[in-house]
Amino acid sequence: DAGVTQSPTHLIKTRGQQVTLRCSPKSGHDTVSWYQQALGQGPQFIFQYYEEEERQRGNFPDRFSGHQFPNYSSELNVNALLLGDSALYLCASSPTGSEQYFGPGTRLTVT
Amino acid sequence: GQQVMQIPQYQHVQEGEDFTTYCNSSTTLSNIQWYKQRPGGHPVFLIQLVKSGEVKKQKRLTFQFGEAKKNSSLHITATQTTDVGTYFCAFSGGSNYKLTFGKGTLLTVNP
Repeated sequence: DAGVTQSPTHLIKTRGQQVTLRCSPKSGHDTVSWYQQALGQGPQFIFQYYEEEERQRGNFPDRFSGHQFPNYSSELNVNALLLGDSALYLCASSPTGSEQYFGPGTRLTVT
Repeated sequence: GQQVMQIPQYQHVQEGEDFTTYCNSSTTLSNIQWYKQRPGGHPVFLIQLVKSGEVKKQKRLTFQFGEAKKNSSLHITATQTTDVGTYFCAFSGGSNYKLTFGKGTLLTVNP
């Protein structure tokens, strides 16, 4: 039984560019959340998707958008990248919306 | 919004010593979750507490939720080098699906 998978593992982008990160949830999980984790900090909630709809959003600008597909996989899109967007982006899935099962993350570096 | 404060920020112990990290909130929490993140890894769910005064044990780990549901602790007995990592507390509340994390306690263990 595969856990949460994310791609790519690492990514380097230039300021102003756009990036798409991908996530496949754990089998049987229908809820996907995205978090941003800066170095030395706890994960910060970006948004959560359920039934292909954004169910809740954290304090992130509209440059951050997402999508959930019928097979429950999800994408996180970030437009007009800033240096401050450099972080580990974590996807988490859940069967109930409670405890989260995290993927290995995508390390994004913006130069 | 609601936040949790974790103390200490860092803790270095000799192998075999005990370790405790605390999670405090100024407001009542509906639940508390604990996660462990190994260096270079992703958060891994350890446990969820929901009842006032609840105590749960997992081998050498003991988790407590305060009577007023405003604080929680994680105690590790006789630390081992495998316990190294950052321990985060997190909470969600009511119809609030997002998890809000503390800043974590980084535990290092000297063999």
